[in-house]
Amino acid sequence: ETGVTQSPTHLIKTRGQQVTLRCSSQSGHNTVSWYQQALGQGPQFIFQYYREEENGRGNFPPRFSGLQFPNYSSELNVNALELDDSALYLCASSRGTGGNQETQYFGPGTRLLVL
Amino acid sequence: SQQGEEDPQALSIQEGENATMNCSYKTSINNLQWYRQNSGRGLVHLILIRSNEREKHSGRLRVTLDTSKKSSSLLITASRAADTASYFCATDGNSGYALNFGKGTSLLVTP
Repeated sequence: ETGVTQSPTHLIKTRGQQVTLRCSSQSGHNTVSWYQQALGQGPQFIFQYYREEENGRGNFPPRFSGLQFPNYSSELNVNALELDDSALYLCASSRGTGGNQETQYFGPGTRLLVL
Repeated sequence: SQQGEEDPQALSIQEGENATMNCSYKTSINNLQWYRQNSGRGLVHLILIRSNEREKHSGRLRVTLDTSKKSSSLLITASRAADTASYFCATDGNSGYALNFGKGTSLLVTP
């Protein structure tokens, strides 16, 4: 079991609402990455934060935003929720970035349902 | 879009048999990783193989990497019912930081 925790575990929202998901990284890790996993699919990269700065972003619209705090925990915010945002949201923590990045360790995920 | 593709999509075997899953990818990589996921929960890291390595072992797992063919395989020997899960390969692709996953192989091991 990794030291990565996520909250909440499950969430139900209505279309148009906003949601904030939280992730605490493993001790000693300074990088957090967020992924979206739709049912029956592999995880899709949303973005990565390294030392409190957004380090890279996947093909997701600006209504997906994030933060990383000085203790390297992180938040994922999604505005104007759409039905297609229903998915398992996974965060992963690691040390370093780019070619120096070590293994990404995943949390248990937050399952979001948008009605 | 998915970077990697796992094959087969689903595999059903009996306990004690070996399970082999394959992964193909499209771009050059620094490393390739295999993860396991139980029933839509978090991913568990299994093994990482670097682009200059050809084979790696970890317990009952054996991973091979052929960068010329842009492919990898995961072999689970002497499978157990507890190995039932979805298995994903992930590459770091061009970015070096974003993991690119395939759709996974769903493995069912029956007693």
